[in-house]
Amino acid sequence: EPEVTQTPSHQVTQMGQEVILRCVPISNHLYFYWYRQILGQKVEFLVSFYNNEISEKSEIFDDQFSVERPDGSNFTLKIRSTKLEDSAMYFCASSEERYGYTFGSGTRLTVV
Amino acid sequence: AQRVTQPEKLLSVFKGAPVELKCNYSYSGSPELFWYVQYSRQRLQLLLRHISRESIKGFTADLNKGETSFHLKKPFAQEEDSAMYYCAYKGNTGKLIFGQGTTLQVKP
Repeated sequence: EPEVTQTPSHQVTQMGQEVILRCVPISNHLYFYWYRQILGQKVEFLVSFYNNEISEKSEIFDDQFSVERPDGSNFTLKIRSTKLEDSAMYFCASSEERYGYTFGSGTRLTVV
Repeated sequence: AQRVTQPEKLLSVFKGAPVELKCNYSYSGSPELFWYVQYSRQRLQLLLRHISRESIKGFTADLNKGETSFHLKKPFAQEEDSAMYYCAYKGNTGKLIFGQGTTLQVKP
């Protein structure tokens, strides 16, 4: 069964540094998403991406965040100048149409 | 505001007992509702969606528009059902709105 792959599984970074979280969506999927889950809290939507542009973003997704699909296969989330409160599990997801997401296994980001 | 509520953080039952994980939603427009399951340290997996009206691993969920509920049920819980369960609502824009999640613990 096709999978969404996320790397790394765990990233530790110092406050103020930039991080890039990587995702390889399922190859024939057209819609891509990032979600995050702060420890002990619910899964929250960050951004959706379709046709090489952001289709929707949440209030969390401010100028500190950006997404890119640099080469037609990877889908990246960049967080500039990380803060302690950015520590969370970040999930990538993709879907072929507007239904039936497939989630990746997540990247645990720890900002120290 | 669109919101999904799972009132129970933890539900603990004995093996063989019936299970009901509650989910209520508030929405505008036509709802699409899902249940996702997350086994220990694994990815979120789609368990059910209301459109397909199927039964997966013995679980069912019925959309009740009058009560705005989408409770997840299983008549006989198994130990391997122990996991985190999330109810999610998808609105017109395609994003998922998740509930807080319920940890199901099935004791032997």
